[in-house]
Amino acid sequence: GQNIDQPTEMTATEGAIVQINCTYQTSGFNGLFWYQQHAGEAPTFLSYNVLDGLEEKGRFSSFLSRSKGYSYLLLKELQMKDSASYLCAVQKGTALIFGKGTTLSVSS
Amino acid sequence: EAGVAQSPRYKIIEKRQSVAFWCNPISGHATLYWYQQILGQGPKLLIQFQNNGVVDDSQLPKDRFSAERLKGVDSTLKIQPAKLEDSAVYLCASSSQGAAGANVLTFGAGSRLTVL
Repeated sequence: GQNIDQPTEMTATEGAIVQINCTYQTSGFNGLFWYQQHAGEAPTFLSYNVLDGLEEKGRFSSFLSRSKGYSYLLLKELQMKDSASYLCAVQKGTALIFGKGTTLSVSS
Repeated sequence: EAGVAQSPRYKIIEKRQSVAFWCNPISGHATLYWYQQILGQGPKLLIQFQNNGVVDDSQLPKDRFSAERLKGVDSTLKIQPAKLEDSAVYLCASSSQGAAGANVLTFGAGSRLTVL
């Protein structure tokens, strides 16, 4: 089976840094994804990690520790438009298994 | 490139009625997925196709849900009869295998179903 846990909600202010954690237990692992989903819209791809370590892409970075079953998404220089749900997903075979998502609210 | 197309965007039906959703994936993408997203939750995989064959339908409630991808391109998802708990957004996604095994899914805008 699989279990993917992430906090339900987080709040932060513009310009700040926020870290969204994700822990997972799965049988079969081919990588970890982060997707962003604005309210009423489709999820869009943010990042992919398959090896341990940090992947940086502009204001967003993602970290993976396979031995700990742990990942985080780091968002820097937060902007109002970053208010969205952030979905952690594990690739199992060629399918993605998603967590419930973390709703991030950014205030001015 | 054109994205994943889905229709209808919104549908309201009474319980026990039937509904069908259509999806056209990105051209050339062999793999197509249907996910169900209930409000406040993450997407749940219903069925995965590789070309016109089913790879995984273990979480599809087969007593009421059916899906097909006859020519290996577009796909339809049908619910008959609908229940109140089927109210959700039905997301279609497609993918082509990327480098180093990363399988990036591109999602359509979704079809929002309300069952009254």
